[in-house]
Amino acid sequence: QQQVKQSPQSLIVQKGGISIINCAYENTAFDYFPWYQQFPGKGPALLIAIRPDVSEKKEGRFTISFNKSAKQFSLHIMDSQPGDSATYFCAASTVSGGGADGLTFGKGTHLIIQP
Amino acid sequence: GAVVSQHPSRVICKSGTSVKIECRSLDFQATTMFWYRQFPKQSLMLMATSNEGSKATYEQGVEKDKFLINHASLTLSTLTVTSAHPEDSSFYICSARTRLAGAYEQYFGPGTRLTVT
Repeated sequence: QQQVKQSPQSLIVQKGGISIINCAYENTAFDYFPWYQQFPGKGPALLIAIRPDVSEKKEGRFTISFNKSAKQFSLHIMDSQPGDSATYFCAASTVSGGGADGLTFGKGTHLIIQP
Repeated sequence: GAVVSQHPSRVICKSGTSVKIECRSLDFQATTMFWYRQFPKQSLMLMATSNEGSKATYEQGVEKDKFLINHASLTLSTLTVTSAHPEDSSFYICSARTRLAGAYEQYFGPGTRLTVT
């Protein structure tokens, strides 16, 4: 599997601020880029996903920015809240058979929102 | 919608025994499911792709004779860890692939914590 590089490893943001997590990938065949949120002892929950035919996608307080030429994508969490404190994973996969293939995950970002 | 369940949520077994983990898509059909493994404070690593009615595809370095996968129906995939050893202790998570409103997504189960003593 090709690597997906995620940064920062940990992040502390004040309540109400903007949390920004970045990812970079190598495999140009990747065609699907989701972000997941995971709480301790739980499975990952899909937050938002993007395909490379658009440069930005927004859902509520979550926005993905995508730069195909730079092979980078990022997650922005607006108006960050203490309940957003969790581990966030970016991921990437190719697409075949009508759906995304197995995901290659970044190493995760431990986000803490301080009240 | 798009709920995936796993059973059991936690299991403790003795070294040398086998353990079966079930993954079910509750409100949709999934021709493809995936199995991942996650060690403490680490990322998820894809183990195998499970396709309904056919043999699973394993990632490089994953022993297919040790991690048996069966996808018997459109809503159920099982992972059996055979002859488990302490180094197999991990968090096993499945996902199911579905297409909603024209977009394909993977939804994850809550995970199964396996401890081998």
